[in-house]
Amino acid sequence: NAGVTQTPKFRVLKTGQSMTLLCAQDMNHEYMYWYRQDPGMGLRLIHYSVGEGTTAKGEVPDGYNVSRLKKQNFLLGLESAAPSQTSVYFCASSYWVAEETQYFGPGTRLLVL
Amino acid sequence: GQQVMQIPQYQHVQEGEDFTTYCNSSTTLSNIQWYKQRPGGHPVFLIQLVKSGEVKKQKRLTFQFGEAKKNSSLHITATQTTDVGTYFCAGHGSNDYKLSFGAGTTVTVRA
Repeated sequence: NAGVTQTPKFRVLKTGQSMTLLCAQDMNHEYMYWYRQDPGMGLRLIHYSVGEGTTAKGEVPDGYNVSRLKKQNFLLGLESAAPSQTSVYFCASSYWVAEETQYFGPGTRLLVL
Repeated sequence: GQQVMQIPQYQHVQEGEDFTTYCNSSTTLSNIQWYKQRPGGHPVFLIQLVKSGEVKKQKRLTFQFGEAKKNSSLHITATQTTDVGTYFCAGHGSNDYKLSFGAGTTVTVRA
């Protein structure tokens, strides 16, 4: 099993450009999450999904959109990138909330110029 | 909203010494989890505590969950260079899908 994978690993964008980050998991997990990690601020939840076809806002959702069309995939979109979105983005998944252990992907490092 | 705070933010430890990092929540938690992130890596689950006053050990690591389920601690004995990284605590509030993370304690070890 590959676990949780993320593409791309690294990306540089210009302000105003758009992009989509892809997260895939092969563990048949129901719950998936997108976090951003900034120095000194830990992990902050952007959006999450409790199942295929469902999404919900987390702590810092502004400027991001998500979709969960397939159970194994969770996409994070930036419609118009801003320098404040420079960060490391982690995707995570968990089987169901009762188990609650989250498995993280390797991360995507995004630089917005 | 729920806030989880960790202290200290940085911990510089001499190899072989012990240290403790603390986690405090503004609200009662249903559980507390601890994760470790190596430099350049991703967070990896270490352990989960659920019961009030629970204590769990993993080799040189001892985890505690407070009686009021609002605080937790991680104690590492005889620190080794392999302990380098950032340790995060995270907790679920009651009936909450979301895991709230602390800002982490970054540990460096002097050989």
